[in-house]
Amino acid sequence: GENVEQHPSTLSVQEGDSAVIKCTYSDSASNYFPWYKQELGKGPQLIIDIRSNVGEKKDQRIAVTLNKTAKHFSLHITETQPEDSAVYFCAAPRFRGRNSGGGADGLTFGKGTHLIIQP
Amino acid sequence: KAGVTQTPRYLIKTRGQQVTLSCSPISGHRSVSWYQQTPGQGLQFLFEYFSETQRNKGNFPGRFSGRQFSNSRSEMNVSTLELGDSALYLCASSIRVNTEAFFGQGTRLTVV
Repeated sequence: GENVEQHPSTLSVQEGDSAVIKCTYSDSASNYFPWYKQELGKGPQLIIDIRSNVGEKKDQRIAVTLNKTAKHFSLHITETQPEDSAVYFCAAPRFRGRNSGGGADGLTFGKGTHLIIQP
Repeated sequence: KAGVTQTPRYLIKTRGQQVTLSCSPISGHRSVSWYQQTPGQGLQFLFEYFSETQRNKGNFPGRFSGRQFSNSRSEMNVSTLELGDSALYLCASSIRVNTEAFFGQGTRLTVV
């Protein structure tokens, strides 16, 4: 099955600086890579995603890049603000085995990155 | 548009009991998946339902089960609760399988 590795586990940056979180995946068939932000006491919130037919996607201060050859994708947050402090998760599709008909069901998540924005 | 609704938000049960958690997906979404979140294991896939059919199941014992109704609402059940089942249980809904998944607030289950 899919294996997703996420680094770093904790990231502390000064307010206004940029933050980068990196993930690698194992299954070359993966074609969809979402990023989630989870604040204390809340469920994960989808903040941006990318499909395998593009290499980069931006939405205001956040961007995601994808390198299919190297099987890694990254989240970039520019001009960080205190409200960016949260735990961020990357994910990739979970694939069923061939004996189960193939296809993707659910997501495999990275272990998360605790992003701390220092004022 | 209302988001994903999970009930109850908090639950305390004793070992050996069983529990049922409920999830109402976003209107129009037919796929519902369940995850267990713990500090040690992170977010782990439990199962996914689409059109009332379980499509896949993660590596959890048979004590964990679920179902989906014709209105796409879903329930998960855990029988013979163990201390290690204490976790945040999250439900996510999608229009269909392998598309954007939106999570609810979760149900915090504590087993004592």
